[in-house]
Amino acid sequence: QVQLQESGPGLVKPSQTLSLTCTVSGGSISSGNYYWSWIRQHPGKGLEWIGYIYYSGSTYYNPSLKSRVTISVDTSKNQFSLKLTSVTAADTAVYYCASRTVAHYWYFDLWGRGTLVTVSS
Amino acid sequence: DIQMTQSPSSLSASVGDRVTITCRASQNISSYLNWYQQKPGKAPKFLIYAASSLQSAVPSRFSGSGSGADFTLTISGLQPEDFATYYCQQTYSTPTFGGGTKVEIK
Repeated sequence: QVQLQESGPGLVKPSQTLSLTCTVSGGSISSGNYYWSWIRQHPGKGLEWIGYIYYSGSTYYNPSLKSRVTISVDTSKNQFSLKLTSVTAADTAVYYCASRTVAHYWYFDLWGRGTLVTVSS
Repeated sequence: DIQMTQSPSSLSASVGDRVTITCRASQNISSYLNWYQQKPGKAPKFLIYAASSLQSAVPSRFSGSGSGADFTLTISGLQPEDFATYYCQQTYSTPTFGGGTKVEIK
């Protein structure tokens, strides 16, 4: 059973870079069965897709965040990571990592528990 | 971006009720529509893909329908564990989610 777990600082200062890592357990990140994704949820609000990466390194980003986002993968550690630069209070959210299936009708299959990141000085 | 609009934003219902949630896309998305359930403090849980295909292990009281721009999620015989917020999501293009529908206990 594949499981995902987010980790990283819960507090980031404005203008700095938010960095999170998602560790995949119970399966290989290189299996080719998933795109590895980041999704966020502002407090009390809906869900926003940030981007995803394939184990090969191919990335796909939300155009609204693309200029500030980098997603990378470390297959040796079975991890993938998110970097979001120049953060503001508007980036305060619960950040989830999730697996996106590769099927034609795809969906976000498995989710981590989420981690709250607060942007504040 | 394709905008997804859910209605109602919240509803009150009783155990055993039939509940219908609507999701409308700003353009034709064929059947590229998923549904998720989220309980407070928890990650979303995937329920339905391709508008009407139930994920394995999801109870059969959940059903999805629609195509094009109009979709519905129906819960036939609401159970206590179904009180949650439900989100639709389109995968026709850059993925976007609806604003959510909170199902509360009457």
